[in-house]
Amino acid sequence: EAQVTQNPRYLITVTGKKLTVTCSQNMNHEYMSWYRQDPGLGLRQIYYSMNVEVTDKGDVPEGYKVSRKEKRNFPLILESPSPNQTSLYFCASRTDKSSTDTQYFGPGTRLTVL
Amino acid sequence: AQSVAQPEDQVNVAEGNPLTVKCTYSVSGNPYLFWYVQYPNRGLQFLLKYITGDNLVKGSYGFEAEFNKSQTSFHLKKPSALVSDSALYFCAVRDPTDKLIFGTGTRLQVFP
Repeated sequence: EAQVTQNPRYLITVTGKKLTVTCSQNMNHEYMSWYRQDPGLGLRQIYYSMNVEVTDKGDVPEGYKVSRKEKRNFPLILESPSPNQTSLYFCASRTDKSSTDTQYFGPGTRLTVL
Repeated sequence: AQSVAQPEDQVNVAEGNPLTVKCTYSVSGNPYLFWYVQYPNRGLQFLLKYITGDNLVKGSYGFEAEFNKSQTSFHLKKPSALVSDSALYFCAVRDPTDKLIFGTGTRLQVFP
């Protein structure tokens, strides 16, 4: 089954404690991205990757890092989380940057930073 | 700047009645438009898209959307709503850099 998986699904942490949210897709997609969803703001792109070792900032990259060492994986790293990063996070992938194919989303990770 | 507007935070409709969820957009060039649905505790699921061609696009679960270039709109419609259609709906447009720009979402509530 074609899918995007994320782990963990729920996470409660404290300010300053480094964390990583994993994302993996099994569709051989080149393009992957991370979004955060906040009430009244919709989804905003944090980072995206056009292929292995190629990443770039989205609209709200501050406080986040990503890496793309393998095509299937695109982890989101919060080096020093703060309460304003409490949000619902989605990983997504599609065939490539210019493709009009469907973009697939993971199930989401609900992060709470105390 | 590219943008998407969903003017209604919530839409309420009785089961069996037609529903419309509104979306307007602003983008340079030809618009690529999408609708996604989010059920509670789930990720976004693709419903339908407009790339080119027929202005009326049919999608999953009986939904359809009409592209109107003159009004820069892409409203989501369904002839007969189901209680199970209750969810959060997002309109999105692809900007010239190929990034998806999302609206703020519209919560659809279908009452029995």
